[in-house]
Amino acid sequence: AQSVAQPEDQVNVAEGNPLTVKCTYSVSGNPYLFWYVQYPNRGLQFLLKYITGDNLVKGSYGFEAEFNKSQTSFHLKKPSALVSDSALYFCAVRAFGSGNTGKLIFGQGTTLQVKP
Amino acid sequence: DSGVTQTPKHLITATGQRVTLRCSPRSGDLSVYWYQQSLDQGLQFLIQYYNGEERAKGNILERFSAQQFPDLHSELNLSSLELGDSALYFCASSVTGGWEETQYFGPGTRLLVL
Repeated sequence: AQSVAQPEDQVNVAEGNPLTVKCTYSVSGNPYLFWYVQYPNRGLQFLLKYITGDNLVKGSYGFEAEFNKSQTSFHLKKPSALVSDSALYFCAVRAFGSGNTGKLIFGQGTTLQVKP
Repeated sequence: DSGVTQTPKHLITATGQRVTLRCSPRSGDLSVYWYQQSLDQGLQFLIQYYNGEERAKGNILERFSAQQFPDLHSELNLSSLELGDSALYFCASSVTGGWEETQYFGPGTRLLVL
């Protein structure tokens, strides 16, 4: 079965420090991976995706993610965290197989708290 | 702003009732997806439409139905509502529903069933 795991419910980091939000996946075939962010009372905003090519993907708001096939991971990173980055982050993988066209499978989400 | 619009933003209703949630995709997008976000189930895919036709089905209850109209807007109908249906319902859209495409999400409709 295809799945995504975000092992940390919450990540705390001081403003200006680097941040990492972890994601591991399990899929059959090549993975198509996505990161979204959800601010309170808002919808999900797309940050970045990995389809193929360079393992380091750059996205919106200074975020990047590193695809690691051997470790089946797709961790989200940012060199210097801002208080405004505090939000709920979701990792997702595209589901393949009959009847799954377009379906995204989401992790449980990780709350990022950036403290001044 | 993703360009996907959803109405209403909030909905409060009683058990046993029926409601309709509406979604307008981004201009040019032919594929629409519905997701449910709840505290116990997380974000779950419900159903996908492409150019008016159902393309994929997820964990959608029989009490729920959806359709996509010729102008490409979509409606999610929830009937015989139960307390457990209280959740945030998101609509997303993409150009054709292709594997590599990004899905852009609307702001959601928060449903509270009392």
